[in-house]
Amino acid sequence: AQKITQTQPGMFVQEKEAVTLDCTYDTSDQSYGLFWYKQPSSGEMIFLIYQGSYDEQNATEGRYSLNFQKARKSANLVISASQLGDSAMYFCAMRDPYSSASKIIFGSGTRLSIRP
Amino acid sequence: GAVVSQHPSWVICKSGTSVKIECRSLDFQATTMFWYRQFPKQSLMLMATSNEGSKATYEQGVEKDKFLINHASLTLSTLTVTSAHPEDSSFYICSASVYGEAYEQYFGPGTRLTVT
Repeated sequence: AQKITQTQPGMFVQEKEAVTLDCTYDTSDQSYGLFWYKQPSSGEMIFLIYQGSYDEQNATEGRYSLNFQKARKSANLVISASQLGDSAMYFCAMRDPYSSASKIIFGSGTRLSIRP
Repeated sequence: GAVVSQHPSWVICKSGTSVKIECRSLDFQATTMFWYRQFPKQSLMLMATSNEGSKATYEQGVEKDKFLINHASLTLSTLTVTSAHPEDSSFYICSASVYGEAYEQYFGPGTRLTVT
């Protein structure tokens, strides 16, 4: 079965510093997709970044980049120059490769708090 | 961008009553909609997947008769919590995807249900 593991329940980071949120996954499939979502206190899920298993380059979206290490089955999110507005829950997720309906499996999440 | 709405954003109901939550894709036709449940400080757990015009596929452990899902059109899916109990109090989030868009799911803002 597919599984997403986030080992950091919470993190505190000083404003303007870079932060890395860890994510490892487990799948026996060769084709899969990995996501990161941000969930602020309002509850909405905000899509941040996507990495396909066959993508040769690490995905980047503005201040977000995904450090994809396929052999290690890790997909860490790097946020550069953190801002106070980055304080939120962050979920790593994987598209279930056996689901034709693009079902997504979520990790347990990391609560990121940015200190001014 | 694709927008998904949910109504109501929050609801309080008495134990034993039923409550309906609507999920609408506002500017696109969603071939598939997903319903998630999130308890405080926990991750999103997929409850069911629904395709327009067909019966929903429920995840293991989710009671079909308690959580009724209807996907009557390409822009509307509803989740009805029947005979609600306090343990059903949770944050319910829907998402929608479009066939052919391999990875994107568009999330609604969520509905907070409190059963008294």
